[in-house]
Amino acid sequence: AQRVTQPEKLLSVFKGAPVELKCNYSYSGSPELFWYVQYSRQRLQLLLRHISRESIKGFTADLNKGETSFHLKKPFAQEEDSAMYYCALSNQAGTALIFGKGTTLSVSS
Amino acid sequence: DAGVTQSPTHLIKTRGQQVTLRCSPKSGHDTVSWYQQALGQGPQFIFQYYEEEERQRGNFPDRFSGHQFPNYSSELNVNALLLGDSALYLCASSFSARSNQPQHFGDGTRLSIL
Repeated sequence: AQRVTQPEKLLSVFKGAPVELKCNYSYSGSPELFWYVQYSRQRLQLLLRHISRESIKGFTADLNKGETSFHLKKPFAQEEDSAMYYCALSNQAGTALIFGKGTTLSVSS
Repeated sequence: DAGVTQSPTHLIKTRGQQVTLRCSPKSGHDTVSWYQQALGQGPQFIFQYYEEEERQRGNFPDRFSGHQFPNYSSELNVNALLLGDSALYLCASSFSARSNQPQHFGDGTRLSIL
């Protein structure tokens, strides 16, 4: 079955601490992986995708096909990073996305 | 560019009624997808429209139907509403003619069933 699992419902860290939001997936084939973010009172927006291999707002994510994971990392969390983060996959960008249940990241000073 | 726009913002219906939700895609996009997001869950794919036809469909009953117009806007129709249909309905658009272009989401329509 095609599935995205985000094991943490809530992750609370202090400002300046490292952050890792976990994402594991189950998919037959070679999916494309995404991280979407929803800040308070804003719409869901794309944060990054694995094929881009870029850092957005200090966040990076590496696709590990052996462990079927796509964890989101940031070395030093900022208060403005507080948001809901969703991991998602599809067989190609623009086609049906399968989302995880999301992880709320709370960064406090 | 206003991006993806959805209407209405909120809607209250009773069981058994029918509802129509509307979506205008981001300028330049020709593909529209619909998602249902229940409270505490991630969005769940309903279906996708391209060239006025349903191209992909998720695991939703036939009570959920849609339409895409020549100007690429789209409607989601739900018949015989159930309490479990209460959710945030998200529309997303993309440009399918260009490979690997991600989906852009609207703010959603909050549907409450009484």
